[in-house]
Amino acid sequence: EDKVVQSPLSLVVHEGDTVTLNCSYEVTNFRSLLWYKQEKKAPTFLFMLTSSGIEKKSGRLSSILDKKELFSILNITATQTGDSAVYLCAVVGGGSNYKLTFGKGTLLTVNP
Amino acid sequence: SQTIHQWPATLVQPVGSPLSLECTVEGTSNPNLYWYRQAAGRGLQLLFYSVGIGQISSEVPQNLSASRPQDRQFILSSKKLLLSDSGFYLCAWSVLRLAGPDTQYFGPGTRLTVL
Repeated sequence: EDKVVQSPLSLVVHEGDTVTLNCSYEVTNFRSLLWYKQEKKAPTFLFMLTSSGIEKKSGRLSSILDKKELFSILNITATQTGDSAVYLCAVVGGGSNYKLTFGKGTLLTVNP
Repeated sequence: SQTIHQWPATLVQPVGSPLSLECTVEGTSNPNLYWYRQAAGRGLQLLFYSVGIGQISSEVPQNLSASRPQDRQFILSSKKLLLSDSGFYLCAWSVLRLAGPDTQYFGPGTRLTVL
């Protein structure tokens, strides 16, 4: 059974801090790893990672994948209160139906 | 551009009552469609997925069912709701590519409370 473990489960920081969120996984026939941001409603897509060592970057957010050690990190620099959300990691593996297996998420709270 | 709609946004139902949640996708054809449930404090759990009209795969045993009567319509149903069915239900779509994985995009969700 595919498994995704995220850490920490929750994190409180001050504006301007840099945070690193972790995601480790066990999956059969790994295809990709995805990061989503969930505020009050639906998750919104951030990154999809398929290759080791290639950083994806979008503004203050960046992510990288290590397929040998089976983990990914999501970095947020110069955090803002608008970054407060649950960050979800998911992996796609096995079969041809592209099912996502999600971790429980990391709740990030950025205080002013 | 593609959009995904879910309704209703919020629903409060008594135990034992039926359920019907609807999801429609616009701007794409032959998408893969998914139903997830997110219980409080837990991750998203895949309930059903569909790769085409009338094709439904169930991921977990439960008293829910899904149907796909049209290419871009996905319905989640129950004949008799249980308290444990409460949660946030999300519909998602993706486009199958011949090479490589794809990304799932989520609808706005339905928050269901069973009392």
